Amino acid sequence: NAGVTQTPKFRILKIGQSMTLQCAQDMNHNYMYWYRQDPGMGLKLIYYSVGAGITDKGEVPNGYNVSRSTTEDFPLRLELAAPSQTSVYFCASSPREAQETQYFGPGTRLLVL
Amino acid sequence: GQNIDQPTEMTATEGAIVQINCTYQTSGFNGLFWYQQHAGEAPTFLSYNVLDGLEEKGRFSSFLSRSKGYSYLLLKELQMKDSASYLCAVMDSNYQLIWGAGTKLIIKP
Repeated sequence: NAGVTQTPKFRILKIGQSMTLQCAQDMNHNYMYWYRQDPGMGLKLIYYSVGAGITDKGEVPNGYNVSRSTTEDFPLRLELAAPSQTSVYFCASSPREAQETQYFGPGTRLLVL
Repeated sequence: GQNIDQPTEMTATEGAIVQINCTYQTSGFNGLFWYQQHAGEAPTFLSYNVLDGLEEKGRFSSFLSRSKGYSYLLLKELQMKDSASYLCAVMDSNYQLIWGAGTKLIIKP
């Protein structure tokens, strides 16, 4: 099992550009999450999904969009990049129940200039 | 509001014992997690407590007191590889994780 994979590892964007952060898991987990982690701050939930076709907003969803067309994939879309979106983005997944351990991908470091 | 507090940084000596505290105020409680995060890497699961008491797992133990809104992570026989950040997270009534900012643990020889 590859677990949770994320691409790209690092990206520099110009203000106003758009991009998609890819996330995939091969553990057949229903629950998937997108977090951002800023220096000295806790992880903040952006969006989450409890299964294919179902997504919901987390604590900091503004400026982002997600889709979940398959169990495996959960891409995160930035439409108009802003410097405030400079962060490290982690995708995570967990099995059937919400109280299960979350398994994290390696992260994507995004710099918006 | 929801709040998780833990010390920003701690220093300990190789071979010693260290206790990292976490206090929380959340809307509902469905368990408390501890994760380890090495610099530049993803968090990895260490422990989960939902009932009061101590959970022991090798060199690591985690304690929970729900009435006090308090947990600690105890690391014994510290090794240099234990140098990392330790993240406390509480699952709230909506089954979402609320994360603390993490405690950076520095191990000295």
